[in-house]
Amino acid sequence: QKEVEQNSGPLSVPEGAIASLNCTYSDRGSQSFFWYRQYSGKSPELIMSIYSNGDKEDGRFTAQLNKASQYVSLLIRDSQPSDSATYLCAVRRGKTSYDKVIFGPGTSLSVIP
Amino acid sequence: GAVVSQHPSRVICKSGTSVKIECRSLDFQATTMFWYRQFPKQSLMLMATSNEGSKATYEQGVEKDKFLINHASLTLSTLTVTSAHPEDSSFYICSARDFLTDTQYFGPGTRLTVL
Repeated sequence: QKEVEQNSGPLSVPEGAIASLNCTYSDRGSQSFFWYRQYSGKSPELIMSIYSNGDKEDGRFTAQLNKASQYVSLLIRDSQPSDSATYLCAVRRGKTSYDKVIFGPGTSLSVIP
Repeated sequence: GAVVSQHPSRVICKSGTSVKIECRSLDFQATTMFWYRQFPKQSLMLMATSNEGSKATYEQGVEKDKFLINHASLTLSTLTVTSAHPEDSSFYICSARDFLTDTQYFGPGTRLTVL
């Protein structure tokens, strides 16, 4: 089992719809969770971080964490064509410098105008 | 947000030469920096973790003698690809962790092409 799993996609949604991106992880000791967006040919940029169970909202983005189910998701409301990118889920066990961030394979999102 | 710079952004070199890539954290001190490699349509692969003032920790399968990492200061880490070969052609991305914000920021990446 891979440490961080995501559906590779592509996930296609119409403009204005809600895009739902899912991620599962295998290490129950994981404490920190991140969503990154990566445009083609560019490096990843951080969208959100979440550390506690529940929802965290930032603008059109909502991250949801359920540690019991080892599941983290990202919702994008009012999707725009500019949201078309690969979304990377990342998980870290702790906060020390020895704790690596493990990235999932990414989900490709396409927002259709 | 914090900024991480990388230089050069793109490099083309002949097989057998060495290439040095610099990664700088511009407005924060990064005790830990990470080097990733990404092949087309694949995910990020962590190559090594670099801690300021100490030897880098390499991931399994990454040759430490081929990919030399130096983290001499709190704002600068370098990756040198020695005796580069065409199979080393890839997108190399560095990342720096800001401990104050507990956030990992990525540099813009360096696209290496070895002819």
